[in-house]
Amino acid sequence: AQTVTQSQPEMSVQEAETVTLSCTYDTSESDYYLFWYKQPPSRQMILVIRQEAYKQQNATENRFSVNFQKAAKSFSLKISDSQLGDAAMYFCAYRSAQGSGGSNYKLTFGKGTLLTVNP
Amino acid sequence: DAGVIQSPRHEVTEMGQEVTLRCKPISGHDYLFWYRQTMMRGLELLIYFNNNVPIDDSGMPEDRFSAKMPNASFSTLKIQPSEPRDSAVYFCASSPGLAGAGNEQFFGPGTRLTVL
Repeated sequence: AQTVTQSQPEMSVQEAETVTLSCTYDTSESDYYLFWYKQPPSRQMILVIRQEAYKQQNATENRFSVNFQKAAKSFSLKISDSQLGDAAMYFCAYRSAQGSGGSNYKLTFGKGTLLTVNP
Repeated sequence: DAGVIQSPRHEVTEMGQEVTLRCKPISGHDYLFWYRQTMMRGLELLIYFNNNVPIDDSGMPEDRFSAKMPNASFSTLKIQPSEPRDSAVYFCASSPGLAGAGNEQFFGPGTRLTVL
């Protein structure tokens, strides 16, 4: 079974600075997807960024980018020019891309990292 | 589109009572997922449907939990009888499909359940 580990329960960053959130995962599969979701106090889960494992290029979405290291099974999220609205719980998630049916389509989440942005 | 709609947003009930949580997925989405979020266990998948058919219910904790999807626009998660340890936030999510760009799961706002 796949596991996702977020080793930083809490992180803080100054407004306008850059912060990196860590995520590692364990899988024997070669084809999969990785996601970062944001959960603000409203508790709505919002997709931040997505990475396909077969793509070597790191995904970017405006101020958000990832450092995907497939061999190391690492998937960190970098937030540049942090804003107060970035304060939230961030979850890393894994999804298999193989097979059909069964449990292959479920998202496996890490325990989350609570990000605080200081003005 | 209104997004995934869940009701109620908050539910407080007493132990032993039946609880029904409701979800309306985004129109046109083929997959529907039910997750539970607790401090201790984080986010866990309970069950998911494809075209109204349950595909994987291995995450359903026990027989007290049941889920149905009678049509493409409605699903329920029922707990009977409820217990205090069922207190959690329950999320419904839907996905347009699992190929190509359809991998994203869109989450509803969640239902916060408190069982006294």
